[in-house]
Amino acid sequence: AQSVSQHNHHVILSEAASLELGCNYSYGGTVNLFWYVQYPGQHLQLLLKYFSGDPLVKGIKGFEAEFIKSKFSFNLRKPSVQWSDTAEYFCAVELGPDSWGKLQFGAGTQVVVTP
Amino acid sequence: EAGVAQSPRYKIIEKRQSVAFWCNPISGHATLYWYQQILGQGPKLLIQFQNNGVVDDSQLPKDRFSAERLKGVDSTLKIQPAKLEDSAVYLCASSLGVGRGDEQFFGPGTRLTVL
Repeated sequence: AQSVSQHNHHVILSEAASLELGCNYSYGGTVNLFWYVQYPGQHLQLLLKYFSGDPLVKGIKGFEAEFIKSKFSFNLRKPSVQWSDTAEYFCAVELGPDSWGKLQFGAGTQVVVTP
Repeated sequence: EAGVAQSPRYKIIEKRQSVAFWCNPISGHATLYWYQQILGQGPKLLIQFQNNGVVDDSQLPKDRFSAERLKGVDSTLKIQPAKLEDSAVYLCASSLGVGRGDEQFFGPGTRLTVL
């Protein structure tokens, strides 16, 4: 069963547009939530993560994500994208204390930012 | 700080042949992971090591895949014999431990094509 789903497989937008990528998970217990990014030709790297506390988390490069427990969602946002944000974005979760370290990834969203 | 190293970067083999991948984690990282990323999908965890012991290999196809981590540092992942559906990128990652908050750092991956 799919534990993590990302809403869009491909997104194309212009520079300065706002970006929001959806991520939903299916698990009722404690979770750790992550967004990873893979720039062209580079390896996967962590954008941001949520474990507890303030549900609005800020990451690198101006990205932020909001955890909404009632909706089982962890959407990624950036108010104004740049051409350099062209990349593939992956949502990932760790489902419960027995699964710390066992990342489950969504299928990814390919984002293309046009000049 | 040096990142996670993997070799080879690319490998092309015919079905039923054998192949091995190598990973050198970040120095001091006790936990090492192997993931399989099939085109169009997110990475899927194959096996997790803590030092030189296996923590989780529930998703490793043990009839053809094997992995070892000698001396708790480098690791090799082997496929014998390979099938067409094994074509994927094989990612190695490492982290300090498996505590909540231990970030996984990913290597560049090995792209395997099985003909």
